[in-house]
Amino acid sequence: GDSVTQMEGPVTLSEEAFLTINCTYTATGYPSLFWYVQYPGEGLQLLLKATKADDKGSNKGFEATYRKETTSFHLEKGSVQVSDSAVYFCALLRYNTDKLIFGTGTRLQVFP
Amino acid sequence: DTGVSQDPRHKITKRGQNVTFRCDPISEHNRLYWYRQTLGQGPEFLTYFQNEAQLEKSRLLSDRFSAERPKGSFSTLEIQRTEQGDSAMYLCASTPGGRERYEQYFGPGTRLTVT
Repeated sequence: GDSVTQMEGPVTLSEEAFLTINCTYTATGYPSLFWYVQYPGEGLQLLLKATKADDKGSNKGFEATYRKETTSFHLEKGSVQVSDSAVYFCALLRYNTDKLIFGTGTRLQVFP
Repeated sequence: DTGVSQDPRHKITKRGQNVTFRCDPISEHNRLYWYRQTLGQGPEFLTYFQNEAQLEKSRLLSDRFSAERPKGSFSTLEIQRTEQGDSAMYLCASTPGGRERYEQYFGPGTRLTVT
């Protein structure tokens, strides 16, 4: 079945460091791919999305590129801030369904 | 605030009791979803509605679980005869129809603890 695999956390970085959180997926067809973020005490928020191969989603300095050949959608940010500390979830949505399939989440901790 | 709202935010109940949660989607969003999130895991799909019609149910949704959306607006999720394994965060999400249905907007969740 469809699945999403994320790197285990926590990821601990100093402020202004470069961030990569790996995400790979298994799915039939051509899913849409998403990154959601969950800040402490808050609900899930859509961070960015890509709906077809080679699309790049971007928002708030975060980027991820839909790589069909490697079935990956890695999240990157050039310079993280303390306020980026949160749990990040990679997810997919198969084209003919409406249910999101999530990875297990990766906790990011950024220290000043 | 025009986001998805859920009530209550926290619920503690004893094993064997029934509980009901409510979700109010974003106005005019015709699709509504329920997910369950256990500690250290990503959300797992439970069920979803288009207007008042329940279109899909996960195998996770045992016969102790029932969801309704009677007028195509708010939705309720009821768990009968709760078990300790039901302890989780229950999330609701909504989307508009058409091309925008891929973006699901989540509520803050209801955290259920079964003692």
